Order: sequence, then structure tokens, then C-alpha cells
Amino acid sequence: EVQLVESGGGLVQPGGSLRLSCAASGFSFSNFWMSWVRQVPGKGLEWVANIKEDGSIQYYVDSVKGRFTISRDNAKISLYLQMNSLRAEDTAIYYCARARDWGYFDYWGQGTLVTVSS
Amino acid sequence: EIVLTQSPGTLSLSPGESATLSCRASQSVTNNYLAWYQQKPGQAPRLLIYGAFSRATGIPGRFSGSGSGTDFTLTISRLEPEDFAVYFCQQYSNSFTFGPGTKVDIK
Repeated sequence: EVQLVESGGGLVQPGGSLRLSCAASGFSFSNFWMSWVRQVPGKGLEWVANIKEDGSIQYYVDSVKGRFTISRDNAKISLYLQMNSLRAEDTAIYYCARARDWGYFDYWGQGTLVTVSS
Repeated sequence: EIVLTQSPGTLSLSPGESATLSCRASQSVTNNYLAWYQQKPGQAPRLLIYGAFSRATGIPGRFSGSGSGTDFTLTISRLEPEDFAVYFCQQYSNSFTFGPGTKVDIK
């Protein structure tokens, strides 16, 4: 059974940093692109970042470029999102998701809430 | 960026009825790279349809997708109680964007 479990969310002040983790199991992690997708509670979904199977290529939504870094450790079967210079508008539930055929998401974690507030 | 518009915003129906949800793109979605997701309160989205019309693993046959270019449709025939939820479309032909969602609620 495919499982994705996020951790690392919490309350952080504007300008602060946070690192999210996603532990994967039940599939061959190193064979799939992985993604982060966020959602303001009660609102719509926004793709944040993608990373290639071997970690060599990453893509980001414009609003987080230069502030967020997606990475992965295939040996630890884990995905990460380093978030720096956080802003109030980054407040959201962050989901880890497995990407297929370039860009639809067939499995999602339960999400971790990031709140940016003073 | 491809902007997706979904209509209606809310659809009020009774169990057993059929639902037709629309997703319109601001420019053509190439290769039918259009997916549909279902989301229930407090849960992560669940993939229903990818490639505009292919059902994901384990998705019941009452869910079907159609369309091409800029106009796509998700049809749910004979609504079951567990189908009342929010539905999002997503394109992946030019970066990745989601529609604002259609809420299907019980009439």
C-alpha cells in the first residue's frame, strides 16, 4: 500500500524558516517524480514544486522561487521542502504527492499545516 | 499560465441523480493532460480521472471524464452518498494549475 506521511509543519514567524519532510512507503520511491502541493484551508489547491526521480531537476511555482527548495533522499525514501523567508501568504496545508506522467498526482499524504504569523 | 474555470460553483443534487461538472481552460490543454480529484472535508484530494478520461485505480465506473482542448467534463452518474464532496480539475500540459472547485452537496 502506498503511503506518504508528512511532518514538520507548525507556527513560524514571517521571515522564518521551516523544513517539511515526507516519508514514503509501499512503492519504489526512486522511480517516481515527487511533488509538493499546498492548500489554504477551505480554499483551492496550488502546485508548489516537483523533483525528478534522481533529484537532478526541480521545478517551482513562481511565488516560491528563490525561497523554497525541494529535495529528496532516495536512500532514506524521503522527500523534503526547505522553506525560507516565509510570508503570511505561505500559510497552508502542504501535501506531499506522487507525480505520474509528468504531472498528475495519484497518491497524496494527509498534509501538514504551516502557519506563518507573528 | 493556463487558468482553469469550473462551473457551477455549487451543485445541489439528490442521491441517485447524475452530476455534470465543467472545467474550462484559458488555452488549449495539449495531450488531454487534464485530471480530476475529489476532496472531502479534512481529507487529502483523491485522484479520479487522468488524461481527461482514464479512471484511476479503484475508481467506480459511475465516474467518467470527457472533453478535449479547452472544455472538459466530469460526469457522476447515479450519485451515491459518499460522492458529495468538492471536485477539482487540474491541467498538466503547461506547468500545473488547478481549478477553484465545484462543491456537490445534498439537496
